[in-house]
Amino acid sequence: QKEVEQNSGPLSVPEGAIASLNCTYSDRGSQSFFWYRQYSGKSPELIMFIYSNGDKEDGRFTAQLNKASQYVSLLIRDSQPSDSATYLCAVNSGYSTLTFGKGTMLLVSP
Amino acid sequence: GAVVSQHPSWVICKSGTSVKIECRSLDFQATTMFWYRQFPKQSLMLMATSNEGSKATYEQGVEKDKFLINHASLTLSTLTVTSAHPEDSSFYICGADEEGGNTIYFGEGSWLTVV
Repeated sequence: QKEVEQNSGPLSVPEGAIASLNCTYSDRGSQSFFWYRQYSGKSPELIMFIYSNGDKEDGRFTAQLNKASQYVSLLIRDSQPSDSATYLCAVNSGYSTLTFGKGTMLLVSP
Repeated sequence: GAVVSQHPSWVICKSGTSVKIECRSLDFQATTMFWYRQFPKQSLMLMATSNEGSKATYEQGVEKDKFLINHASLTLSTLTVTSAHPEDSSFYICGADEEGGNTIYFGEGSWLTVV
């Protein structure tokens, strides 16, 4: 069974710090990886995706992928209180179906 | 771009009745639409995958006769919860995959409360 694991948190960081969110996955054949942000009571919104090993940067967000270690992470630089949310890691192993982790709650304190 | 609209945002229905939730892709054609359910403090669980013009593919444990999915066009999919029970109360979220794309965009979600 395909699994996506995330630490549930909460991960607490002060405003302006770097938040590091981690995710591991079980299916070595996974092809694409996504990070979604979900505010309480709301639907997930896509932050970014990554397909290739290495880093991908988009503004304050950097996704990192290491397929050999089956590990993907999200770094948030200059964290803001508005970044406080649950971050969902999702893995696509084919046929467009995403498998989601349970999410990591991030709390950014002013 | 890639906007998915879901309606209604929340609905309360009586036990035993049916309720329909609509999912529309507003600015793209969705080859595939997905229906997820999320219970409080839980992750998104895929219920079914639907392709336009064909029958939906349901995940194991999801009753296809209870959760009716219709994907009549490239921009519209509906989920009907039939004979709803209080345990069906949940947050239902649709997602759409743009034709030729590899990213799922989600609707706003629908809160269903069965009383």
